[in-house]
Amino acid sequence: RKEVEQDPGPFNVPEGATVAFNCTYSNSASQSFFWYRQDCRKEPKLLMSVYSSGNEDGRFTAQLNRASQYISLLIRDSKLSDSATYLCVVSPNTGGFKTIFGAGTRLFVKA
Amino acid sequence: DGGITQSPKYLFRKEGQNVTLSCEQNLNHDAMYWYRQDPGQGLRLIYYSQIVNDFQKGDIAEGYSVSREKKESFPLTVTSAQKNPTAFYLCASSPDWGRLDFGAGTRLSVL
Repeated sequence: RKEVEQDPGPFNVPEGATVAFNCTYSNSASQSFFWYRQDCRKEPKLLMSVYSSGNEDGRFTAQLNRASQYISLLIRDSKLSDSATYLCVVSPNTGGFKTIFGAGTRLFVKA
Repeated sequence: DGGITQSPKYLFRKEGQNVTLSCEQNLNHDAMYWYRQDPGQGLRLIYYSQIVNDFQKGDIAEGYSVSREKKESFPLTVTSAQKNPTAFYLCASSPDWGRLDFGAGTRLSVL
């Protein structure tokens, strides 16, 4: 079992749609959680951190479920510019450092 | 502007040749990392350094070497022992546990 698993997609959605991605992680000791966005042939960029209480940034909402060990990303009112690969990132905060990246979920938003 | 600078953007390696990828940061981050990304795959950790003059192997260190003589610099050498070096190489630095800031990457190909 991979340490961080994501549905690779692709998710093909029309503009204005709401789309959700899930990500599961295997290490119950994980402390930090993030969603990164990666455009084609570019570096990953931090989209948002994920907090236990859930957090929202404009059209983006991230949630963490520690009991089930998954995090989610919800995108409302999708824009063409949201087309990218979304990476789930999980990290322990204590002891030896090791941040684990999921393979990513591809999103295509169509006009 | 603060950031992470990788060079060159594109690099070609001949058979049996060692090549060095540069990574410089002016963010005053202690921790720096090298990742490799292959098409359709997640990021895999090659080496990381949490402090000057110290570095640790990641998951795929074979065929690679690094140095950390200065806080700002973390060069990666792809040696001739790395038989499949074609990939997108990403350097990152971190202000704290988990969150990573990336450079724009170097695309390495074999001639």
